Amino acid sequence: AQSVAQPEDQVNVAEGNPLTVKCTYSVSGNPYLFWYVQYPNRGLQFLLKYITGDNLVKGSYGFEAEFNKSQTSFHLKKPSALVSDSALYFCAVRDLRNTPLVFGKGTRLSVIA
Amino acid sequence: ETGVTQSPTHLIKTRGQQVTLRCSSQSGHNTVSWYQQALGQGPQFIFQYYREEENGRGNFPPRFSGLQFPNYSSELNVNALELDDSALYLCASSYSGTSAHNEQFFGPGTRLTVL
Repeated sequence: AQSVAQPEDQVNVAEGNPLTVKCTYSVSGNPYLFWYVQYPNRGLQFLLKYITGDNLVKGSYGFEAEFNKSQTSFHLKKPSALVSDSALYFCAVRDLRNTPLVFGKGTRLSVIA
Repeated sequence: ETGVTQSPTHLIKTRGQQVTLRCSSQSGHNTVSWYQQALGQGPQFIFQYYREEENGRGNFPPRFSGLQFPNYSSELNVNALELDDSALYLCASSYSGTSAHNEQFFGPGTRLTVL
């Protein structure tokens, strides 16, 4: 069975500094990995996905994520954080096409001006 | 904003009652998935519908049931509500085809409170 771990409940970063939100996963086959963001009173918004190919995936709003197969990680990164990036971030995995996503518990990112 | 809409936005019910939540898929999508997001948790998969048939189910009891209609809109029904059913219920639509891992697009959710 698939699983996702987001080891940090909260990440605090100063505006303009780089940010990293960590995610590790476990699947039996090839991993298909996703990041979503959730703003207050809103649904989840897709940021980026890794299916195959280049290990560095670029997504919306300047976010990127690095797939590391040996460490079974898919950390979300951004070179320069904005206050508006403050939100709840979820990592998700599936092991087959069109199967349900398995989500982590989420990491709350707080960017301080 | 995605093209996925959900109604109602908020709902308050009492224990033992029944509830129906509705979801309208994004245009061109043929698959709907429902998730339950309890406070402080990530979304948990309830079930998925593809072409009006249930196409996968998570670890939820039979009192959680659903429907998908020919226009790909969907309903989630919960019978005999329990206090632990209080959560944000998210609907996600996607296109299931023969290739590609298409991302799911989520609606804003329905906040259900069971008293």
